[in-house]
Amino acid sequence: DIQMTQSPSSLSASVGDRVTITCRASQSISSYLNWYQQKPGKAPKLLIYAASNFESGVPSRFSGSGSGTDFTLTISSLQPEDFATYYCQQSYRTPYRFGQGTKLEIK
Amino acid sequence: EVQLVESGGLVVQPGGSLRLSCAASGFTFDDYSMHWVRQVPGKGLEWVSVINWDGSSTDYADSVKGRFTTSRDNSKKSLYLQMNSLTTEDTALYYCSKDAALRLGEICLDSWGQGTLVTVSS
Repeated sequence: DIQMTQSPSSLSASVGDRVTITCRASQSISSYLNWYQQKPGKAPKLLIYAASNFESGVPSRFSGSGSGTDFTLTISSLQPEDFATYYCQQSYRTPYRFGQGTKLEIK
Repeated sequence: EVQLVESGGLVVQPGGSLRLSCAASGFTFDDYSMHWVRQVPGKGLEWVSVINWDGSSTDYADSVKGRFTTSRDNSKKSLYLQMNSLTTEDTALYYCSKDAALRLGEICLDSWGQGTLVTVSS
């Protein structure tokens, strides 16, 4: 199975900051990497698919990059509504594992 | 608007069985693969299973393989998860979600229900 490791597990930042979350796969997954945002008490929401493609309606301050084993999600200028937990997920082969999550908190 | 509504979550004893349902609306259900994902409250997401558009192909996480069975009834626009031999480690919020591969060309989960809570406890 392909293991997914996110770092950091938690992150404190301020409105307006630029933040980067990293996701590493235990083997190459090409660009089969998705990012989700989850707010407390809510279902996850798809942000980015295939490493760098925006889901419709996602603000342009979010961006994704990477291929192979190393991927990043960047938020260029944090907004209050961005404080949430972010998960990566590989879709290269089953089981389609998620990373353990990165909780983004207000500093 | 896509809607996914899960139901069937209950408190069940270890070793027991439960069937979850997910009612879909707002899209052509039989065009899309569907997934189950679970989340222990306060913890991360765990992918559970996938079923293809006509139910002829399924796959499962190792943690549930042989105990859980995913099925669908396209005439009822419904997805199911039959869970047997439940253990306390199966306690979680179970989400059904729609695969966006047909729309986006990539396997990813673009719509989610609000989840149904399964508690395995004696």
